[in-house]
Amino acid sequence: GIQVEQSPPDLILQEGANSTLRCNFSDSVNNLQWFHQNPWGQLINLFYIPSGTKQNGRLSATTVATERYSLLYISSSQTTDSGVYFCAVGPNQAGTALIFGKGTTLSVSS
Amino acid sequence: EAGVAQSPRYKIIEKRQSVAFWCNPISGHATLYWYQQILGQGPKLLIQFQNNGVVDDSQLPKDRFSAERLKGVDSTLKIQPAKLEDSAVYLCASSFTGDPVYNEQFFGPGTRLTVL
Repeated sequence: GIQVEQSPPDLILQEGANSTLRCNFSDSVNNLQWFHQNPWGQLINLFYIPSGTKQNGRLSATTVATERYSLLYISSSQTTDSGVYFCAVGPNQAGTALIFGKGTTLSVSS
Repeated sequence: EAGVAQSPRYKIIEKRQSVAFWCNPISGHATLYWYQQILGQGPKLLIQFQNNGVVDDSQLPKDRFSAERLKGVDSTLKIQPAKLEDSAVYLCASSFTGDPVYNEQFFGPGTRLTVL
């Protein structure tokens, strides 16, 4: 099956810093989503981005499907950005379940 | 638009007891998923339904886990008997599959199960 690798596993930032999280996947995909898991365990949808670039406020994401990677950019980080960021992909067939990476744990201090 | 609803939010049981979790997906979403998330890992699929039919249950431990979605809307996941290694967060998700291209999944708040 598809392998999903996220890097770095852990990231510690000062408030106001910028960061880039990376997701590599081993095969073509139909679906790619980025999630933020808050301290209460809720998975918050950040981006649905099987290809291309999207921006939402201080966050943006780019997926290069032909090279099998996606990047999540966080600018001017805030303490509320802390948590675990997951990349998840769906195999090249619509309606299938997501395969998650192990996540990047982000800690932002003031 | 209401999100995916799950209950209970927390459950503590003794090993060998049984437990059930409930999920109500986003209105109009035909596909429903149950994922298990063990501490420190990403969620992993247990079972996927399309309407009231099972699409994928290959990773469901069928000797102790069962799930149903009788009317094609809400779903119940049951564990009987529970083992210590079943301690995890159980996440329900749903997606709209009327579009062959758009396939975004949305997750509920999860049920945190502790087996003692």
